[in-house]
Amino acid sequence: DAKTTQPNSMESNEEEPVHLPCNHSTISGTDYIHWYRQLPSQGPEYVIHGLTSNVNNRMASLAIAEDRKSSTLILHRATLRDAAVYYCILRTSYDKVIFGPGTSLSVIP
Amino acid sequence: DVKVTQSSRYLVKRTGEKVFLECVQDMDHENMFWYRQDPGLGLRLIYFSYDVKMKEKGDIPEGYSVSREKKERFSLILESASTNQTSMYLCASRRLAGNAYEQYFGPGTRLTVT
Repeated sequence: DAKTTQPNSMESNEEEPVHLPCNHSTISGTDYIHWYRQLPSQGPEYVIHGLTSNVNNRMASLAIAEDRKSSTLILHRATLRDAAVYYCILRTSYDKVIFGPGTSLSVIP
Repeated sequence: DVKVTQSSRYLVKRTGEKVFLECVQDMDHENMFWYRQDPGLGLRLIYFSYDVKMKEKGDIPEGYSVSREKKERFSLILESASTNQTSMYLCASRRLAGNAYEQYFGPGTRLTVT
């Protein structure tokens, strides 16, 4: 199964952009890149997903490297409510989902 | 908004008890999942269901069973609870968005088995 690696933790100042990296060097052609986040004491929440092209939605942007071996989740202006664990996940047509430890994002007021 | 609800946020049970964890989604999703989440191990898939009356084993089905009698409801059953089943249990349902699936999670049930 294709796995992802992310930094254990990151810090950001409030109102500044945050770039959360993810490496997935063994990604296959059918793997979609998904990002979820989990706020304290809550279930994971879908953030964004993409295959090859960069994607934008109301929550974030997803930048995917040309070789697809890495991607970056971009929060354009971090708020205190964005403090969470962010998971980068590869999804195929199968149901098995590998959730790694994720990146714990702290936002400093 | 998609809503996935779980019957309890916190549950304390004794070893050997039969435990039912209920999950309901209101968006007519066909696929539903049960995961457990433990520190350092991330989310692990227990069982999933493609449709009513269908169920498939995930990565760690031992000690668990499931029931899907209605489309909106997916129940996880611990036949005889053990202390190593103390965990956070997360239910999810998913929909096809374009060419990929978006998976929506419930708030979780923190189960403690004493």
